[in-house]
Amino acid sequence: GENVEQHPSTLSVQEGDSAVIKCTYSDSASNYFPWYKQELGKRPQLIIDIRSNVGEKKDQRIAVTLNKTAKHFSLHITETQPEDSAVYFCAARLIQGAQKLVFGQGTRLTINP
Amino acid sequence: NAGVTQTPKFRILKIGQSMTLQCTQDMNHNYMYWYRQDPGMGLKLIYYSVGAGITDKGEVPNGYNVSRSTTEDFPLRLELAAPSQTSVYFCASSYTPAAFPYNEQFFGPGTRLTVL
Repeated sequence: GENVEQHPSTLSVQEGDSAVIKCTYSDSASNYFPWYKQELGKRPQLIIDIRSNVGEKKDQRIAVTLNKTAKHFSLHITETQPEDSAVYFCAARLIQGAQKLVFGQGTRLTINP
Repeated sequence: NAGVTQTPKFRILKIGQSMTLQCTQDMNHNYMYWYRQDPGMGLKLIYYSVGAGITDKGEVPNGYNVSRSTTEDFPLRLELAAPSQTSVYFCASSYTPAAFPYNEQFFGPGTRLTVL
């Protein structure tokens, strides 16, 4: 089955700097890769996702890149702000079939003012 | 729309007790899921359902049972609670993937369960 590894587990950056979180996956058939943000005590919420037929996707200050050959994908946050502080989870899944998401272990991102 | 709702928000159980975690969604989603999130860890899939009357096991199903008699409801049953089941439980739902280009899972607010 699919396995997703996420690094780093914690990340601290200065406000205004960029943050990068990386994930690797094991199943080459996976073709959908969402990123979820979970603020303290809240539910996870989708912030961006990418399908395997696309190499990069941007939405304002966040972007995701995908390298299918190497089986890894990354979340990039530019011009970080205090409200970006949260735990971020990557996930991988086959679009067809059982619809099961496999999540990474999470990255706790702290933005220092 | 209320989205995905869960009850209770918090619960303390004694070892060996049983309980049902309730989950309801009002978005007419076919797919529903139960995850557990242990402290400092990611989400692990317990069970999922692709429609009323159809359920299947996820990564960590032992000690749990589910049913799906309606599109809206997907309760999770814990039998003989154990300390290892102390966790935060999230229910989620999504549309059938073939109908949409993207398939966001919408999460409920979670149930924090402690087994002592």
